[in-house]
Amino acid sequence: DVKVTQSSRYLVKRTGEKVFLECVQDMDHENMFWYRQDPGLGLRLIYFSYDVKMKEKGDIPEGYSVSREKKERFSLILESASTNQTSMYLCASSWAPGRAGAHTGELFFGEGSRLTVL
Amino acid sequence: AQSVAQPEDQVNVAEGNPLTVKCTYSVSGNPYLFWYVQYPNRGLQFLLKYITGDNLVKGSYGFEAEFNKSQTSFHLKKPSALVSDSALYFCAVRAFMDSNYQLIWGAGTKLIIKP
Repeated sequence: DVKVTQSSRYLVKRTGEKVFLECVQDMDHENMFWYRQDPGLGLRLIYFSYDVKMKEKGDIPEGYSVSREKKERFSLILESASTNQTSMYLCASSWAPGRAGAHTGELFFGEGSRLTVL
Repeated sequence: AQSVAQPEDQVNVAEGNPLTVKCTYSVSGNPYLFWYVQYPNRGLQFLLKYITGDNLVKGSYGFEAEFNKSQTSFHLKKPSALVSDSALYFCAVRAFMDSNYQLIWGAGTKLIIKP
């Protein structure tokens, strides 16, 4: 069974703390994504990666960074957490047919990480 | 601007009745259209997609969606709703932006099926 695994389902952190959210996929997918989900706003793309050590900014990258040292792992980092980063974070992966950066639109999601920043 | 709209925040349907969750889009070129479902406290799951061909596409759990090019719509349907269909449903369209393909997401529609 294919899987995208997010390391933590629930986290509570304090303002100013550094936060790591880890995501691992076992499908050998080229593309990996980090989204943020807030009620009424749908999904907003934070960062994505089409290859190892490659990253591209999404719609809301401010306050976040990412790391992709291995194909199967994509990490989201909050350097200094703030209360407005309280949210559900979703990791996803997808196959990239043909050229680098191609995107079928069919994503596989992890279970999500609900972060609360106090 | 390229966009996806889900005009209803919530849809209520009695069990056994047909259901429709609406989606309209605005995108350049031929769209790739998707529906995803999110059950409570879970990640999203792919339901179905339209790329080309027959305007009626069938997906998981008995769902289907109808692509209407003239109305730029891609409504999700099911002939007979189940209580277990209660979930959050997202419509998405693949668009070419900033030299890459990306998914543009609707805000989501909460579907409530009452026994």
